[in-house]
Amino acid sequence: EPEVTQTPSHQVTQMGQEVILRCVPISNHLYFYWYRQILGQKVEFLVSFYNNEISEKSEIFDDQFSVERPDGSNFTLKIRSTKLEDSAMYFCASDGRNEQFFGPGTRLTVL
Amino acid sequence: AQTVTQSQPEMSVQEAETVTLSCTYDTSESNYYLFWYKQPPSRQMILVIRQEAYKQQNATENRFSVNFQKAAKSFSLKISDSQLGDTAMYFCAFIDGSSNTGKLIFGQGTTLQVKP
Repeated sequence: EPEVTQTPSHQVTQMGQEVILRCVPISNHLYFYWYRQILGQKVEFLVSFYNNEISEKSEIFDDQFSVERPDGSNFTLKIRSTKLEDSAMYFCASDGRNEQFFGPGTRLTVL
Repeated sequence: AQTVTQSQPEMSVQEAETVTLSCTYDTSESNYYLFWYKQPPSRQMILVIRQEAYKQQNATENRFSVNFQKAAKSFSLKISDSQLGDTAMYFCAFIDGSSNTGKLIFGQGTTLQVKP
């Protein structure tokens, strides 16, 4: 069964450093998403991506964040200068028809 | 703004018993989709069940079923014959069907503990 994959599973970084989180969505899906979950809290929408451009972004998704699909399969989330409050679980999801499937997540720890 | 509310932060149930998790939502749209996701300790988000708002019939997936009350904007999840592996956090979520982005809006989650 097709699945969404994410790498790395855990990323530890120093405050101010850049990180890139990677995702491989399900191959025939057209809509891609990033969500964030701070430990113990609910899952929050960050950004949606369709037809090689951002279709919607939340207030959380400020200028420090960017997304791209560099090669038609990978879908990346970049945080340019990480802050302590960026520590969270980051989930990628892809959607074929109003049903989103999530990757296993990347746990980001900012020290 | 569209919101999803889960009023039960924690629940527990004995193995083999039945438990119901509550969820209410607020929207002015008539076309939307509702979901329950399970998040075990591994923190993977697993889709449990899906309901289209235009369908009157309640969705069922094996031991999992929903009670969808559209007028009351209520979408509860019933787990029958609870198993230890059902221990997880459960999130209710909503997609506005008229949205061109399809983002999920999540509730705060309910932590379910299944006791042996």
